[in-house]
Formats: sequence, structure tokens, C-alpha cells
Amino acid sequence: NAGVMQNPRHLVRRRGQEARLRCSPMKGHSHVYWYRQLPEEGLKFMVYLQKENIIDESGMPKERFSAEFPKEGPSILRIQQVVRGDSAAYFCASSPLGSGANVLTFGAGSRLTVL
Amino acid sequence: GNSVTQMEGPVTLSEEAFLTINCTYTATGYPSLFWYVQYPGEGLQLLLKATKADDKGSNKSFEATYRKETTSFHLEKGSVQVSDSAVYFCALSGNTGNQFYFGTGTSLTVIP
Repeated sequence: NAGVMQNPRHLVRRRGQEARLRCSPMKGHSHVYWYRQLPEEGLKFMVYLQKENIIDESGMPKERFSAEFPKEGPSILRIQQVVRGDSAAYFCASSPLGSGANVLTFGAGSRLTVL
Repeated sequence: GNSVTQMEGPVTLSEEAFLTINCTYTATGYPSLFWYVQYPGEGLQLLLKATKADDKGSNKSFEATYRKETTSFHLEKGSVQVSDSAVYFCALSGNTGNQFYFGTGTSLTVIP
């Protein structure tokens, strides 16, 4: 039973290019979360999605960032026109459907470097 | 609203020393509380959790007790090892169980 799979693990982009980060949740999990971790900083919530539905995007920058979780396929975090400040580790986590003490299962992260 | 505050690091300890990492929370209702650990270059892994007041979560000799009266969930270990060097995150989930809030993380380095 594979865990949360993120790819690519490392991505290098030049300023102005687009970055696409993919996340396949754990089998049986229907909720996906994206977090950003800047160097020497904590974990910042970005967005929470279910299939075909954004539940909470309060942590997403208003411009250049978008996320989706289609009916089929992985969740994608898209960053358009990247800038150096976007360099960070982006972590995806998933949890199963339902309320209660659900636990987040994290992927290994995608490390974006903007030159 | 919900939030988590944990002690700032970095923390450096000698092997076999006693560890405490403080965590306090603000929450509406009855949250569940978690400690996650992040080893260098990896994602976060669940270390332990507690779902109601007075519960004690434990794993790998780490412990934390859910104290509602002091709104705290301090992480403790009696004797740390070099392999415990990592960043530790305190977190809570709200009433619905699907919203998670993380502290800023505390970096621990254990020296031989």
C-alpha cells in the first residue's frame, strides 16, 4: 500500500516559468492538503481539497498559485510565473473521508528551486 | 480560532538527556492533538496523538499528555539519542477532524 506519492522530488525553474507539482494521495484517502515550508520556517497551510472541490484555500497566495484535485488523477499544485521567493519545499498530505481524529499522512515533498 | 504555539528552537542536548518541547494550543470545542517529526530531507511522520483530555500519546519512548486545563500537549522523552535529531511539530485538528493547524516546529540536535 503505497503512501502519499509526490513528484517531482526536486524541480528547478527559472524566473517566469511555470511549476507543476503532483500528489497522489494514499489509497482510500479522499482529502488532500498542500503545505509550504520555507527555509528555516515552519509549515504553512495552503489549500485543502476533496475530489473536484476546493474546501479551503485560505492559505493560497491570491495570484499565480492554483490547485486542483480532479476526479481522475493526482492533485496538482500549479505556480505560474515563478519568482525566487517561491523556492521552498511543498508537502502534500492526505487523510481519509470522515470526521474524528483523522491523521494526516505526508508525502516526502517536492523541493522547488527558482533560479 | 484555532492555533498552536510551540517553543522556539533550536534545542541542543547531549545523548541521554531529558527532553521537553512545550506546546500550547487555542481551540474551539474539543480538538485532537498530534506530534509529528521531520527527519532531514523527508516529509513529516506522525509520532503520537491524543484525542481527548487526559489522554497520553506515546511512541518510541516519546510521550505527551493532553492537558485541557492548561491547554498544553508537551512532548517528553526521558533519554534522547542521536537518532532523535529532527524537527518536531505540534499540531491540532478541529472539531470536524479535517482541518489541521501546525506549530512552527522545533529543531532538536542531539550530540554524542
